[in-house]
Amino acid sequence: DAGVIQSPRHEVTEMGQEVTLRCKPISGHDYLFWYRQTMMRGLELLIYFNNNVPIDDSGMPEDRFSAKMPNASFSTLKIQPSEPRDSAVYFCASSSDSIYGYTFGSGTRLTVV
Amino acid sequence: GESVGLHLPTLSVQEGDNSIINCAYSNSASDYFIWYKQESGKGPQFIIDIRSNMDKRQGQRVTVLLNKTVKHLSLQIAATQPGDSAVYFCAEGRNTPLVFGKGTRLSVIA
Repeated sequence: DAGVIQSPRHEVTEMGQEVTLRCKPISGHDYLFWYRQTMMRGLELLIYFNNNVPIDDSGMPEDRFSAKMPNASFSTLKIQPSEPRDSAVYFCASSSDSIYGYTFGSGTRLTVV
Repeated sequence: GESVGLHLPTLSVQEGDNSIINCAYSNSASDYFIWYKQESGKGPQFIIDIRSNMDKRQGQRVTVLLNKTVKHLSLQIAATQPGDSAVYFCAEGRNTPLVFGKGTRLSVIA
């Protein structure tokens, strides 16, 4: 298995632009998590899905953030419009359980200028 | 809300010495604890875990200790090697997604 695959690895965009981050979970994992990592706040859970259904999106900062999981093998995290304070590393993780055995992707480093 | 935190943000250790990384947690209901290692440019990787019905668990060169009385978790790395240089996170959970601490950076001095 190739593990959790995220794309792009790096994204630099101008303030106000739309940004879409992508994640392919490990096949057979029915939990998918989006985390954001910053120096100040560490790893924060944004949203998680179970069987493609969003379960808890209370960590999503504001309406500019949205996430979808149209099928078991793909999820997106969209920011529209992007702002400089959104600059961070965004990680996707998948698991077969809500707390056990998380496998993280390599992350997307987002820079909004 | 309740959160997981760390005592030390950075730790420098001589190669070959033992390392101890500490973590405090505040949610007494948590029953599962994990340590992750994150190398530069990579996502966190699982190191070792422990359930609340245990006080100690050992892996290869790593040991996790859990003190529920003072809500303290520690990771011990024996004979620290240069490849151990990374950021280490503790995380806690109970039926809900893991909550991570901010991390401790371990630097190994050759």
